[in-house]
Amino acid sequence: DIQMTQSPSSLSASVGDRVTITCRASQSISRNLNWYQQGKAPKLLISGASSLQGGVPSRFSGSGSGTDFTLTITSLQPEDFATYYCQQSYNIPWTFGQGTKVEIK
Amino acid sequence: QVQLVESGGDLVKAGGSLRLSCAVSGFTFSDYYMNWIRQAPGKGLEWVSYISSSGSSINYADSVKGRFTISRDNAKNSLFLQMNSLRDEDTAVYYCARGGLRNSGRFDYWGQGTLVTVSS
Repeated sequence: DIQMTQSPSSLSASVGDRVTITCRASQSISRNLNWYQQGKAPKLLISGASSLQGGVPSRFSGSGSGTDFTLTITSLQPEDFATYYCQQSYNIPWTFGQGTKVEIK
Repeated sequence: QVQLVESGGDLVKAGGSLRLSCAVSGFTFSDYYMNWIRQAPGKGLEWVSYISSSGSSINYADSVKGRFTISRDNAKNSLFLQMNSLRDEDTAVYYCARGGLRNSGRFDYWGQGTLVTVSS
């Protein structure tokens, strides 16, 4: 199975801050990487490493390929305080990172 | 709009069985792969199973293989998960999630989840 490792596990930030979350795969997954935001139920933010889903604000962006990926939130908003997960869609079983909780400083 | 509503979660004894359902609306259910994904209390997300649009292709996580069975009724826009031989470690919120028109492994809509608690 492909292991997904996120860092940090949690972070504290203020409204307006720029936030970066990293995700590393245990083997190359090309660009088969998705990002989710979980408040109650998870919500797909970004697929294919960098494609923003419809309705997702442009302050969210994703980058990377191979084994290393990042999710960036520019100018953090109050509704962005949540837990974020990366997920690989390269091989079954589909696997998730352990999550990054973004908290209010 | 797209809606997925899970039901059937309950408190059950270890070794028991439970059947989860997911009622879907707002899209052509019979066109899409569907998935079950779970989240143990305070833990991360774990993919459990997928089923193809026709039901002809199915796969499971090793942790549930041989105990869980996924199925669907396209005429009733419903997805199911039959869970047998339940263990303490199956305690989790179970989400149904829409896959793609192909088996993309991307989950673009999720339900609110249903809680399964297994007690020994």
